[in-house]
Amino acid sequence: DAKTTQPPSMDCAEGRAANLPCNHSTISGNEYVYWYRQIHSQGPQYIIHGLKNNETNEMASLIITEDRKSSTLILPHATLRDTAVYYCIVTFQGAQKLVFGQGTRLTINP
Amino acid sequence: DAGVIQSPRHEVTEMGQEVTLRCKPISGHNSLFWYRQTMMRGLELLIYFNNNVPIDDSGMPEDRFSAKMPNASFSTLKIQPSEPRDSAVYFCASSRRTSGGPGELFFGEGSRLTVL
Repeated sequence: DAKTTQPPSMDCAEGRAANLPCNHSTISGNEYVYWYRQIHSQGPQYIIHGLKNNETNEMASLIITEDRKSSTLILPHATLRDTAVYYCIVTFQGAQKLVFGQGTRLTINP
Repeated sequence: DAGVIQSPRHEVTEMGQEVTLRCKPISGHNSLFWYRQTMMRGLELLIYFNNNVPIDDSGMPEDRFSAKMPNASFSTLKIQPSEPRDSAVYFCASSRRTSGGPGELFFGEGSRLTVL
């Protein structure tokens, strides 16, 4: 699986869009980008995943660059409840497991 | 719908004692994962099962750790004998794996283990 690089921490004001970057410059053509988050003391929660195209669901949007070497998770209107550690994971289409890195600790400030 | 159910939520034991953590995956899911989380090492994959069969246990720290999945609705992670360095939060997760990948993993609330 390709290695990912995320900033260790970020801050965002409540109500603003939170943009979390992830670098995966060694990604290969059949590797997906997954995003999970972990709110304090809870189990990780799936957010979104994509291959090439941008994806959007009720929680967030995922923007993948054309060369697929980086992506951005966007929380359009961050709330205090979005304070969590966000994990970007790259894994093969046929992979059977997810390996978590250190993630980005996002703090939403009032 | 019930999510992944883990028990116990908290366990405090003394070094040398046997510890058994339990997990009930979501009905219909065919993959089950055991993760361990500590401040120092983050979230580590210990072992995972597909259709009740252990596929990869390379993350299991040592022989003191064992995991079983006797049927599709139950799994255990056992530590015998336990040591203080085993103190961590242990998460169980399940998914409905497809040919497209591991699928969306649903995690339980975790079992916090403290070994004195």
